[in-house]
Amino acid sequence: GAVVSQHPSWVICKSGTSVKIECRSLDFQATTMFWYRQFPKQSLMLMATSNEGSKATYEQGVEKDKFLINHASLTLSTLTVTSAHPEDSSFYICSGLAGDRPYNEQFFGPGTRLTVL
Amino acid sequence: SQKIEQNSEALNIQEGKTATLTCNYTNYSPAYLQWYRQDPGRGPVFLLLIRENEKEKRKERLKVTFDTTLKQSLFHITASQPADSATYLCAKGNQGGKLIFGQGTELSVKP
Repeated sequence: GAVVSQHPSWVICKSGTSVKIECRSLDFQATTMFWYRQFPKQSLMLMATSNEGSKATYEQGVEKDKFLINHASLTLSTLTVTSAHPEDSSFYICSGLAGDRPYNEQFFGPGTRLTVL
Repeated sequence: SQKIEQNSEALNIQEGKTATLTCNYTNYSPAYLQWYRQDPGRGPVFLLLIRENEKEKRKERLKVTFDTTLKQSLFHITASQPADSATYLCAKGNQGGKLIFGQGTELSVKP
């Protein structure tokens, strides 16, 4: 199956700093990538949809100036959490959509655990 | 708005039994539903997809049904094993591939 990687797998940072998370599709071209956030014991909440070469589309309630998304190529999307605060601590997961798959099967990365002190 | 609801209570069963998980949705029927497995601290892994015109889909020990009248999908694991213990997520697909996830049901299979 298709593989998606994320880097780093975990990060601890101080309040007020910015953190960048990378999402790569290793063996397929992801025309669309999605970013999710998951709090403990809760489901995945979609944050934004990222299409290669265009601006990301954010879900209602997600601050686009705080969560900067860049999808520079068909295999790489990045999420930057700017001026992070403790309430941004969460599990961030990306997924890639392989355009040639029927019914939009998504392939998820292993997730990045962000802890803001 | 469209909602996906799963039983939030953990499901505990004995090894060898069949586990049945439920996914209910509101409003209009989605074109398809997807089921994923998620282990602690990991991203979801795709298991099965079922389209609205399909009653049932099977893959090895897994079976998914789709009842548009009841607005419900059932996910079955037959001959369950302790290695099947995980959280199982139901998701509805929207335009452009966006997924709306249910809250997931945690399954624990005891030896």
